Amino acid sequence: DIVMTQSPDSLAVSLGERATINCKSSQSVLYSSNNKNHLAWYQQKPGQPPKLLIYWASNRESGVPDRFSGSGSGTDFTLTVTSLQAEDVAVYYCQQYYSIPRTFGQGTKLEIK
Amino acid sequence: EVQLVESGGGLVQPGGSLRLTCADSGFTFSSYSMNWVRQAPGKGLEWVSYITSSSSTIYYADSVKGRFTISRDNAKNSLYLQMNSLREEDTAVYYCARSNGQFDHWGQGTLVTVSS
Repeated sequence: DIVMTQSPDSLAVSLGERATINCKSSQSVLYSSNNKNHLAWYQQKPGQPPKLLIYWASNRESGVPDRFSGSGSGTDFTLTVTSLQAEDVAVYYCQQYYSIPRTFGQGTKLEIK
Repeated sequence: EVQLVESGGGLVQPGGSLRLTCADSGFTFSSYSMNWVRQAPGKGLEWVSYITSSSSTIYYADSVKGRFTISRDNAKNSLYLQMNSLREEDTAVYYCARSNGQFDHWGQGTLVTVSS
């Protein structure tokens, strides 16, 4: 199984500042046949289901604000939220869809400082 | 608009059974693979099972293999999860999620509580 490890577990950032969440996979999720990283990021607010933010490691889902961006390749990935807004308070998860079982990181709780 | 609506959760005793349903609308259900994902209270996300559009390929997490069965009825735009021999550690909110590689749409979830 591919183990996904996020850091930090929690993060407090001031409004308008940048938040950075890291995700490391235990093996590469870069698929050679399509040269794509099979890595997604989700946002989950309290009492709500997860919402897809980023897929293929860096593609923003339709309707997601452009302050959210994803980067990285192979085994190391980053979700960046530039200019944090109050509505961005949530738990963020990375997930690999390279192999079965699909696996998620443990989550990173993002709060306002 | 894509909509996924889960139902069938509830309180069940250890060793009991439940059948979850995910009713889908707003997209061509028969064209997409689907998943079940669960979240124990206060915990993270755990993938449970996957089924391809034609039901030709099915996968399960080791934690549920042999106890849970995923199925679908494309004529009824519905996804199912038959859960047998339930354990207390199966207590969770169960979500259905559409696969497009990534999980691009999720239902609101249904709570399953396994307790005596």
